[in-house]
Amino acid sequence: AQSVSQHNHHVILSEAASLELGCNYSYGGTVNLFWYVQYPGQHLQLLLKYFSGDPLVKGIKGFEAEFIKSKFSFNLRKPSVQWSDTAEYFCALDDSGGYNKLIFGAGTRLAVHP
Amino acid sequence: KAGVTQTPRYLIKTRGQQVTLSCSPISGHRSVSWYQQTPGQGLQFLFEYFSETQRNKGNFPGRFSGRQFSNSRSEMNVSTLELGDSALYLCASSFSISSTDTQYFGPGTRLTVL
Repeated sequence: AQSVSQHNHHVILSEAASLELGCNYSYGGTVNLFWYVQYPGQHLQLLLKYFSGDPLVKGIKGFEAEFIKSKFSFNLRKPSVQWSDTAEYFCALDDSGGYNKLIFGAGTRLAVHP
Repeated sequence: KAGVTQTPRYLIKTRGQQVTLSCSPISGHRSVSWYQQTPGQGLQFLFEYFSETQRNKGNFPGRFSGRQFSNSRSEMNVSTLELGDSALYLCASSFSISSTDTQYFGPGTRLTVL
């Protein structure tokens, strides 16, 4: 069965620090990978997605992620975080079976201090 | 363009009752998926509908059911409520069943079972 692991449950950073959130998945076939963000009091929003092609994907708000197939990883990065990046981040996969079924990781709560 | 809307936003029920939640997708979107979000289990896929047909169902008991109408609006129903059903129920819509289509999430319905 497919699964997604996010090893960092809570991350605390100061503004301007660099961010890397880990995401590993378990699935032997073709996958589509996503990072969603949930800001306090708001609904889930898509940050970026990977389907194929260039393994380095750029998303909104300066976020990027790198798909490393050999490591089954899809880590999220941002070179310099802002207070407004405080949110919960979810990594998810779709097994591309055509069922719009996302498998989510447990999420990482990021707190950015000014 | 209006986003995904869910009604009601908050609901309090007692054990044994049943509840119906509603989801209106983004105009033109024909696929609707439902997810349950709890602190313990995270985000879990419930089911997905396309063209009034349930195409996939997650690992939930038969008390959880849903349907989709010809205008793509969807409802989910939970019968014989249990305390463990307390959760945020999220609806997501996408244009088609292609896994490359982005799923857009609504604000959710927070269900509390007493």
